[in-house]
Amino acid sequence: NAGVTQTPKFQVLKTGQSMTLQCAQDMNHNSMYWYRQDPGMGLRLIYYSASEGTTDKGEVPNGYNVSRLNKREFSLRLESAAPSQTSVYFCASSESGTVTYEQYFGPGTRLTVT
Amino acid sequence: KQEVTQIPAALSVPEGENLVLNCSFTDSAIYNLQWFRQDPGKGLTSLLLIQSSQREQTSGRLNASLDKSSGRSTLYIAASQPGDSATYLCAVADRGSTLGRLYFGRGTQLTVWP
Repeated sequence: NAGVTQTPKFQVLKTGQSMTLQCAQDMNHNSMYWYRQDPGMGLRLIYYSASEGTTDKGEVPNGYNVSRLNKREFSLRLESAAPSQTSVYFCASSESGTVTYEQYFGPGTRLTVT
Repeated sequence: KQEVTQIPAALSVPEGENLVLNCSFTDSAIYNLQWFRQDPGKGLTSLLLIQSSQREQTSGRLNASLDKSSGRSTLYIAASQPGDSATYLCAVADRGSTLGRLYFGRGTQLTVWP
């Protein structure tokens, strides 16, 4: 049981390049999330998916797109990377509608845009 | 919108001290409150989750309390050790969202010196 996995762990992009961050969970959770964390900040929600086939914007969605490929996988795409997107990206999942609403986090992807 | 504040932003203590980290939030309509630990360059480790109906949770030397009506939580660490050095993040799962969307504080950076 791996929990939430993310690939890649590290990435360096040049301004204008595109890339996709991958996330997968093996806990059969309905809901998945993408967050970013900047130095000295807490995590901020980029996009989330309540269930397979649905996605919604969070607090900071500009410059990103997402795809909920199936129940297990939720990807985050940067179409044209900008230095302001240098950050650490965390994926999380949860089983919504339960008593606890606990979210489980992946190890993060550290992205630098030059 | 939920606002989460953590005080102090940084704390440096000698080994063996008992210490308290504070978290406050602006909207008492929450599903739960979670405390996380984050080591430098690493992901989030969940320490304690307090459901909205609970007053406190304990795990080893850690005790977290929740006063939902006043919008406050404290994380108490007993007999601190150098290995406790990390950033501690507080997050609330907001009832305004069916998913229990998480709002994070900026964290308290703890250093415990020998």
